[in-house]
Amino acid sequence: DVKVTQSSRYLVKRTGEKVFLECVQDMDHENMFWYRQDPGLGLRLIYFSYDVKMKEKGDIPEGYSVSREKKERFSLILESASTNQTSMYLCASSRTGNGNSPLHFGNGTRLTVT
Amino acid sequence: AQSVTQPDIHITVSEGASLELRCNYSYGATPYLFWYVQSPGQGLQLLLKYFSGDTLVQGIKGFEAEFKRSQSSFNLRKPSVHWSDAAEYFCAVGFHNNAGNMLTFGGGTRLMVKP
Repeated sequence: DVKVTQSSRYLVKRTGEKVFLECVQDMDHENMFWYRQDPGLGLRLIYFSYDVKMKEKGDIPEGYSVSREKKERFSLILESASTNQTSMYLCASSRTGNGNSPLHFGNGTRLTVT
Repeated sequence: AQSVTQPDIHITVSEGASLELRCNYSYGATPYLFWYVQSPGQGLQLLLKYFSGDTLVQGIKGFEAEFKRSQSSFNLRKPSVHWSDAAEYFCAVGFHNNAGNMLTFGGGTRLMVKP
């Protein structure tokens, strides 16, 4: 089974802090994704990566950056955390495909910014 | 552009009753379709997928879904709901753009199960 591991289940950070959310997958998947999930707004794509050192903006990239130095690891960075970034963050990975590769998700990181 | 609509935000059914969750998609080509389930505090787990062939697909946990091209629908069903099925369910359509393999998700349907 594919395993996508997010390093923290819960995080509490202060406004203005730099925050790193880490995600590791063990199935040699080319694609990796970061979503945030908020009540009533569903899943919104922040950034994705289709190869090492490659990144693409999703629907809501503002206030975030990402890093993919190794194939198995995809990090989401909040440069200066704000209270409106309090959310559930979900990492996912998939094989290269033409839309027929399902995403495999981690268990999520619930981030609270105070 | 592709889109997915799940018309029901919340659904409540009694344990043992049948279930149908609705999903409508908009996509220009033959769609790749998925259903995911998210238990409270967890990530999303793949229930089933449709690529081609038989329009009725079976998934895990006793779920099935039927693809109806004429209605642009991919509804999820279960004959008899168990209390452990209480969760949020997401329908998604897969597509490919210049960057690679992508999924667009519906807004989700939260299922509550009455004892």
